[in-house]
Amino acid sequence: DAGVTQSPTHLIKTRGQQVTLRCSPKSGHDTVSWYQQALGQGPQFIFQYYEEEERQRGNFPDRFSGHQFPNYSSELNVNALLLGDSALYLCASSLVRTSNEQFFGPGTRLTVL
Amino acid sequence: AQKVTQAQTEISVVEKEDVTLDCVYETRDTTYYLFWYKQPPSGELVFLIRRNSFDEQNEISGRYSWNFQKSTSSFNFTITASQVVDSAVYFCALSEAGGGSEKLVFGKGTKLTVNP
Repeated sequence: DAGVTQSPTHLIKTRGQQVTLRCSPKSGHDTVSWYQQALGQGPQFIFQYYEEEERQRGNFPDRFSGHQFPNYSSELNVNALLLGDSALYLCASSLVRTSNEQFFGPGTRLTVL
Repeated sequence: AQKVTQAQTEISVVEKEDVTLDCVYETRDTTYYLFWYKQPPSGELVFLIRRNSFDEQNEISGRYSWNFQKSTSSFNFTITASQVVDSAVYFCALSEAGGGSEKLVFGKGTKLTVNP
């Protein structure tokens, strides 16, 4: 049973560029959440997708956007990258009817130069 | 607003020592869930436990135990007879319950180092 997978593992971008991160949920899961984890900090909730729509959003600017596909996989897009966007981006999946049981992927390490 | 505080930034112990990681939370909700996750150097968050706010029974799983005290808004985690493999960053987290809300609010984590 495949767990949550994320790609790429590492990414280096320069300020002002745009980036797309990808996540495939655990088999059978229908909800995907994205978190940003800065160095030495706890993960912070960015947003959550269910049925291809954004259900909930954290305190992140509109430069952060996402998408969920019919197969439940998801993308996180960040435009106009800033140095402060450097972080580990974690994807978590869950099944909405079980609520609160989230399984995390290995993350994508984004470095903005 | 929900908030989780892990006052211990780093803890270092010698193998076989017992260690307790503290977690204090704030919420106005009467129904909520509390979690502990482990993050090894690889980066992936590993789920350890989920506790419903209505269930204050302590739980033990092998060398791990959790003490939930609603009166002090604390959900502490104890590792008995620690091992080198327990070295990781541990996060306490809180979420609302009901309405399909699954946003997790994390503390800043406690880095545990178990030395041989």
